[in-house]
Amino acid sequence: DGGITQSPKYLFRKEGQNVTLSCEQNLNHDAMYWYRQDPGQGLRLIYYSQIVNDFQKGDIAEGYSVSREKKESFPLTVTSAQKNPTAFYLCASSTGTGINSPLHFGNGTRLTVT
Amino acid sequence: GENVEQHPSTLSVQEGDSAVIKCTYSDSASNYFPWYKQELGKRPQLIIDIRSNVGEKKDQRIAVTLNKTAKHFSLHITETQPEDSAVYFCAARMNYGGSQGNLIFGKGTKLSVKP
Repeated sequence: DGGITQSPKYLFRKEGQNVTLSCEQNLNHDAMYWYRQDPGQGLRLIYYSQIVNDFQKGDIAEGYSVSREKKESFPLTVTSAQKNPTAFYLCASSTGTGINSPLHFGNGTRLTVT
Repeated sequence: GENVEQHPSTLSVQEGDSAVIKCTYSDSASNYFPWYKQELGKRPQLIIDIRSNVGEKKDQRIAVTLNKTAKHFSLHITETQPEDSAVYFCAARMNYGGSQGNLIFGKGTKLSVKP
């Protein structure tokens, strides 16, 4: 379904714990992204990766970390340093960052931290 | 950097009426403008996009217009149907001397189509 799988769909954690969100794609896309979606805030870029073993910070990277050891996988870790981690997290991929590279999104993970 | 403003934040129309959502962008170097539709609880999906060398693009009931001089672009939905109810996001991508930047999204418009 769309070639991008995010798991789990819902995730609950206690404050102070790190948590890792999974994102896998079988579209053979080079670029992968993590966005955070909050009500009334649109989509804000956390991290992105244009190629394996390389990634860059987006607009709101503080408190998050990523890795890109495989082309298919781009996991996001929400650390205890993230002040307001409860949100809906969307992973996306594209063939690259060229003009003919629309984003394909996963179904998202809703993280609740209490 | 690029900034994208989207209006209105909510829009309610009667079935069969038209809906228009407007976005403005700040950087004249932006050259790609997609629109995404996100139904409740689902992923955003690309519904239409336009490049800076084109002023208008249509796809059945959906059209997008671009005014580069004024730096704004709009989504037009005609003959709205209840299944058009969703949150719509506009976005803009800059061109850094041939290298494409990341998409910058507007904050979204929640469209409600009342039967």
